[in-house]
Amino acid sequence: DQQVKQNSPSLSVQEGRISILNCDYTNSMFDYFLWYKKYPAEGPTFLISISSIKDKNEDGRFTVFLNKSAKHLSLHIVPSQPGDSAVYFCAASARGKLIFGQGTELSVKP
Amino acid sequence: DTAVSQTPKYLVTQMGNDKSIKCEQNLGHDTMYWYKQDSKKFLKIMFSYNNKELIINETVPNRFSPKSPDKAHLNLHINSLELGDSAVYFCASSPPTGVYGNEQFFGPGTRLTVL
Repeated sequence: DQQVKQNSPSLSVQEGRISILNCDYTNSMFDYFLWYKKYPAEGPTFLISISSIKDKNEDGRFTVFLNKSAKHLSLHIVPSQPGDSAVYFCAASARGKLIFGQGTELSVKP
Repeated sequence: DTAVSQTPKYLVTQMGNDKSIKCEQNLGHDTMYWYKQDSKKFLKIMFSYNNKELIINETVPNRFSPKSPDKAHLNLHINSLELGDSAVYFCASSPPTGVYGNEQFFGPGTRLTVL
């Protein structure tokens, strides 16, 4: 019973273009949604989050969109850079716990 | 100035052995966590401690015993290791009221291999 799903295991994008990473969830009680970035042999690092009462949050090149009716969120990275190549995890917060998706590996090609 | 550190980074051991993984955070956070990332790459919470008190225990076999000597440390002891325990274990910590909504800060992970 996976409450948070990232259905694309990988994504390849050209440098300078937009990267769109998607995430679906099933539990309406989640209060925050977070995106983490992970490089090989390192721990996940926090990137950006959004409250369940908002529909958009922006931080520099990163924007997260939340569609509560569809139980869907997405992370937009624009413009994409080779250094953005990593695994991106979507996570949802409820009662002090983070529930993670299985990650999407982003590859940004020069 | 490492925020969340774990030792060891790699651990290779035989089935049936007992091993410990240590975690320390210097962020002054009250809450610490242990996560397991299995072969399918899912990151799943195992335990959470707040000020040395266990607050989350996610149906983890009782061979796994977390210990928090103080709020800056959360160690994980595993008895009678099994092949299925092979995974990457991440420690994390979080402030009392996250600005960004329960954002957690992760250590670099410990890759455990049980032979």
